[in-house]
Amino acid sequence: ETGVTQTPRHLVMGMTNKKSLKCEQHLGHNAMYWYKQSAKKPLELMFVYNFKEQTENNSVPSRFSPECPNSSHLFLHLHTLQPEDSALYLCASSQDWRGRGTEAFFGQGTRLTVV
Amino acid sequence: AQSVTQLGSHVSVSEGALVLLRCNYSSSVPPYLFWYVQYPNQGLQLLLKYTSAATLVKGINGFEAEFKKSETSFHLTKPSAHMSDAAEYFCAVSAQNAGNMLTFGGGTRLMVKP
Repeated sequence: ETGVTQTPRHLVMGMTNKKSLKCEQHLGHNAMYWYKQSAKKPLELMFVYNFKEQTENNSVPSRFSPECPNSSHLFLHLHTLQPEDSALYLCASSQDWRGRGTEAFFGQGTRLTVV
Repeated sequence: AQSVTQLGSHVSVSEGALVLLRCNYSSSVPPYLFWYVQYPNQGLQLLLKYTSAATLVKGINGFEAEFKKSETSFHLTKPSAHMSDAAEYFCAVSAQNAGNMLTFGGGTRLMVKP
């Protein structure tokens, strides 16, 4: 398996549930990202991790909690979400967040529906 | 800070016709510029990128884009559209010292008519 893999591909959750999105990259990259793609807004950068350290939190509500245990794995823990959080959540990775080396490679996304 | 404006959320062309997707950017520092394509139920795939070398950038699938600093534009073109080009296209900008932290435009859905 190569590239950036996200699981699950689809997720339906209630507003009181707790769930997690998983992202795994097999590219040997050091930086990983979460983006949110809503129906009515441009793709938004949520979080950036570089060598497991969070380097960017783009004013994301605390009901979204990222975790990066190592350079290959990135999680997004979700709790008490709102219907407006329904979106496609995309994970990406790159060799370096500063842009040296390769560009960002994206996973296929997790389609989240909050009911 | 950076921002991107893509003119036209939907563009329709006939197969074989020229494809032109417009992108204008705003950046307070020298930018990197990107075009990504997204097919249905897929992630984003890089078409091409400008990183301050040649201003005319050639990408995959016959696409190219020209960086015009005076116009703050980075329009995407392809001489002859193919049915398989139907997808959503995103222009993105980043600062050169944070090259992979992307700010995206709203996207343009390209439709190709037979």
